[in-house]
Amino acid sequence: GIQVEQSPPDLILQEGANSTLRCNFSDSVNNLQWFHQNPWGQLINLFYIPSGTKQNGRLSATTVATERYSLLYISSSQTTDSGVYFCAVLISNFGNEKLTFGTGTRLTIIP
Amino acid sequence: NAGVTQTPKFQVLKTGQSMTLQCAQDMNHNSMYWYRQDPGMGLRLIYYSASEGTTDKGEVPNGYNVSRLNKREFSLRLESAAPSQTSVYFCASSDMGGRQQPQHFGDGTRLSIL
Repeated sequence: GIQVEQSPPDLILQEGANSTLRCNFSDSVNNLQWFHQNPWGQLINLFYIPSGTKQNGRLSATTVATERYSLLYISSSQTTDSGVYFCAVLISNFGNEKLTFGTGTRLTIIP
Repeated sequence: NAGVTQTPKFQVLKTGQSMTLQCAQDMNHNSMYWYRQDPGMGLRLIYYSASEGTTDKGEVPNGYNVSRLNKREFSLRLESAAPSQTSVYFCASSDMGGRQQPQHFGDGTRLSIL
């Protein structure tokens, strides 16, 4: 099956710093989602991004499908950004859509 | 707008007991999914239902059964719980009909098997 690798596995930053999280995948995909899992375990949809760049406030994401990677940028980090960030790739097969998750990047923002 | 609602939020079982995790969505989505998340890992697909009346196995289906009761509800059953099934279980839904839309997740059910 498809492999999804995220880097770095852990990241500790001072409040106000910027960060870049990377997601590599081993095969062609139909789409890609970025999630933030907060300290309470809730999964928050951040981006649904098959290609190109999207921005939402301090967060932006870029997917280069032909090179099989996606990047999540977080600018001016806040303590509320702490948690685990997952990318998940979507494969659509005969109308069924399956997400395969990476193992995540754990981000800790220090005040 | 509730989105995807899972019940219960927490449950402790003894080995061999059975239970059903409930999931309901109010977004009129066709597809529904059950995942499990083990410590330090991403989510893995257990079962999914592309539409009402259909179910298919995902990556880790052993030890589980599912029922797509109607378009809104998709339940996950553990017939004889085992300690290896201690995990956090997430239900998700997405729209279909030829459009690719993101999956929306519930808040999870934290299940401990003693």
